[in-house]
Amino acid sequence: QKEVEQDPGPLSVPEGAIVSLNCTYSNSAFQYFMWYRQYSRKGPELLMYTYSSGNKEDGRFTAQVDKSSKYISLFIRDSQPSDSATYLCAMRRGGYGGATNKLIFGTGTLLAVQP
Amino acid sequence: EAGVAQSPRYKIIEKRQSVAFWCNPISGHATLYWYQQILGQGPKLLIQFQNNGVVDDSQLPKDRFSAERLKGVDSTLKIQPAKLEDSAVYLCASSLQGDAGNTIYFGEGSWLTVV
Repeated sequence: QKEVEQDPGPLSVPEGAIVSLNCTYSNSAFQYFMWYRQYSRKGPELLMYTYSSGNKEDGRFTAQVDKSSKYISLFIRDSQPSDSATYLCAMRRGGYGGATNKLIFGTGTLLAVQP
Repeated sequence: EAGVAQSPRYKIIEKRQSVAFWCNPISGHATLYWYQQILGQGPKLLIQFQNNGVVDDSQLPKDRFSAERLKGVDSTLKIQPAKLEDSAVYLCASSLQGDAGNTIYFGEGSWLTVV
């Protein structure tokens, strides 16, 4: 079983739709949860960052973490064609440095927002 | 602020040849990472440096891959000899420190095709 599971999609939605992206994980030691956006032929860029459980909102984006279910979500409201990209979830343990603290990525979900 | 710089952006080589990728992290970032991203997968950590010391190289195929970070700034990742399965994007990233609370910034990647 992979430590982090993510549906690869592709996910196609009309402009203005609410998008829900999800990941599940198996390692209960994960404490930091991130969502990265990766445009075609570009490196990943950090979109949202959450520590432990709860919600975090930034503009049209909301990140949710449910540690009891080992489930994280990213919601995009009023989706735009410019949101078309691959969305990668990533997570890591707490603490400083070390081999056990590396960032573990999901496979990414390809999102296409149709105008 | 300048981002993470990588070169070359694209490289095509034959199997059993060698290749080297260069990375210049964001100024002042002590931690440098090399990730491998195979098409359709999330990035996988190959090696992490803290200044010029190796923190984690557990997933680096050491029989063919090597990396160095001289003087704690620039880094080079080398593959020799290359195999077909090494075709991937090699992403360099950096952060202020290696602890979980620090944002990791990625470069645009070096795209390798082994034929």
